[in-house]
Amino acid sequence: GENVEQHPSTLSVQEGDSAVIKCTYSDSASNYFPWYKQELGKGPQLIIDIRSNVGEKKDQRIAVTLNKTAKHFSLHITETQPEDSAVYFCAAIPPSGSARQLTFGSGTQLTVLP
Amino acid sequence: DSGVTQTPKHLITATGQRVTLRCSPRSGDLSVYWYQQSLDQGLQFLIQYYNGEERAKGNILERFSAQQFPDLHSELNLSSLELGDSALYFCASSETGTGSSPLHFGNGTRLTVT
Repeated sequence: GENVEQHPSTLSVQEGDSAVIKCTYSDSASNYFPWYKQELGKGPQLIIDIRSNVGEKKDQRIAVTLNKTAKHFSLHITETQPEDSAVYFCAAIPPSGSARQLTFGSGTQLTVLP
Repeated sequence: DSGVTQTPKHLITATGQRVTLRCSPRSGDLSVYWYQQSLDQGLQFLIQYYNGEERAKGNILERFSAQQFPDLHSELNLSSLELGDSALYFCASSETGTGSSPLHFGNGTRLTVT
């Protein structure tokens, strides 16, 4: 099945700086890559997603890039704010087969320092 | 607010006991997923239902079972509980069961087994 590795596990940035979280996946057939943000005491919330026919997608201060050749995708947060502090999870899913479920990375604890 | 409702929010019980966790999906979503989140295991997929039928199974123990009812709400039953079952249990729903339609998570049930 799919295997997703996520780095770094913790990330601290100064308010206003950019943050980058990287993920690699193992199944070259995977075609859907969502990112989730989990705040303390809450469930993961979808913040952005990208499909394999697109190389980059942007939504205000958040962007995701996908490199299918290298099998990695990244989350970029610009002009970080304290409310961006949370755990971020990447995920991937292959298009078919019995293992056709979202496989999550291990998470990145992002702390934005004021 | 994701629109997914999970009850109870917290559950404390003793080893050997049985508990039931409940999930109401977002209006219009036909598929329900159950995930377990523990500190060192990240988000682990347990089981998926689509319109009342089991669609996929992940790393779900035999002591655990689930079902989705005609009104689409779902219940996760955990029996013969062990200390290691202490975790956050999340329910997620999606419009279809294809896996690449976005998952929307509830805020989870925190289970503590003493």
